[in-house]
Amino acid sequence: SQTIHQWPATLVQPVGSPLSLECTVEGTSNPNLYWYRQAAGRGLQLLFYSIGIDQISSEVPQNLSASRPQDRQFILSSKKLLLSDSGFYLCAWSVRGGDSPLHFGNGTRLTVT
Amino acid sequence: SQQGEEDPQALSIQEGENATMNCSYKTSINNLQWYRQNSGRGLVHLILIRSNEREKHSGRLRVTLDTSKKSSSLLITASRAADTASYFCATDGSGNTGKLIFGQGTTLQVKP
Repeated sequence: SQTIHQWPATLVQPVGSPLSLECTVEGTSNPNLYWYRQAAGRGLQLLFYSIGIDQISSEVPQNLSASRPQDRQFILSSKKLLLSDSGFYLCAWSVRGGDSPLHFGNGTRLTVT
Repeated sequence: SQQGEEDPQALSIQEGENATMNCSYKTSINNLQWYRQNSGRGLVHLILIRSNEREKHSGRLRVTLDTSKKSSSLLITASRAADTASYFCATDGSGNTGKLIFGQGTTLQVKP
């Protein structure tokens, strides 16, 4: 069966510090991968999605970046965090192609202080 | 930009009652999906309805889709305290990219 791992679960970082959140998927090949951010009490904002290695689309201009060094690994990074980067970050995967549900990790709660 | 908008934002009912949540969207779609999120956790897929379908059932869940009105509803029958969660609709647009855009969600509280 397929599983998705996302870590860390919680993170407190000072303004200006770097960020690296990692997500890996097991039990499937060639997945679509996604990073979403959720502000408190709000819906999900799509940040990045990837249909393959080195094929990453950015949905929202910001100081975050994403990389996919391996087929089932998706990394969200920042060189310098802003206070506005605080939120709940969710990684998800889906089977490539349409009509496929997303499968989410348990999220990372990031607080920038 | 947000594609789906849920209504109401919050809903509080007694156990055993039915809960109805609505979702409106703006552009043409291939499918619409509903997800559930328990507090502080990731989202869990509930049901997918395709643009050529009008109604779909899964256990105590019933989803309707009206593409002419660009709206969908999620009905949870005989609610339980364990149904307390936030519920989101998501649409894929017409590009078949697999990219889902989520609405703001409805927070459901079921009182025992």
